Amino acid sequence: QLQLQESGPGLVKPSETLSLTCTVSGGSVTSSSYFWGWIRQPPGKGLEWIGSISYGGTTYYNPSLKSRVTISADTSKNQFSLKLRSVTAADTAVYYCARAGGAWSRFDYWGQETLVTVSS
Amino acid sequence: QSVLTQPPSASGTPGQRVTISCSGSSSNIGSYTVNWFQQLPGTAPKLLIYTNNQRPSGVPDRFSGSKSGTSASLAISGLQSEDEADYYCAAWDDSLNGVVFGGGTKLTVL
Repeated sequence: QLQLQESGPGLVKPSETLSLTCTVSGGSVTSSSYFWGWIRQPPGKGLEWIGSISYGGTTYYNPSLKSRVTISADTSKNQFSLKLRSVTAADTAVYYCARAGGAWSRFDYWGQETLVTVSS
Repeated sequence: QSVLTQPPSASGTPGQRVTISCSGSSSNIGSYTVNWFQQLPGTAPKLLIYTNNQRPSGVPDRFSGSKSGTSASLAISGLQSEDEADYYCAAWDDSLNGVVFGGGTKLTVL
């Protein structure tokens, strides 16, 4: 059974970089036809796609966040990571990592929710 | 404002049939498959319907999806109290070169 486990600080200071890692077990980030993504949900609001990386390393980002986001994969550790630079209070949200199978938007496995608060 | 438009709320009584719409454009729903997610309170979203109308293993057949042109719909028949949740549609968008979600619909079972 595929499992995704997020890790990273729950509190980040304004203007700093938010860094989260998603460790994949029961599957491989290099498995063909799968994509690995980050989605966030501000308190009381809807889902927002941040970006995704394919099994081959191709990345796509939400245009509204593209200038501040980097998603990468570490195949040796079977992990993929999110870095969001220059954060503000508006980046406070629950962050999810997820796998998409067969289509970029078909997120079939999700990690547990990780609340990241941006505050000094 | 979300690229995919959903009604913010929907409601029904137990046993009733409810539908939730998701409206897009030719660059997303009109060209790509739609997926639906159910988010129960305090939990991560769960894939409910994929590729417009397919149910993952374990999803009751009370849930069904359809797509026509640039719109999609999620139907829930035989409504149950445990169906009370937020529902989201999602698709790929060519213009944005990324995944877009609907704003979500909060379903209340009266």
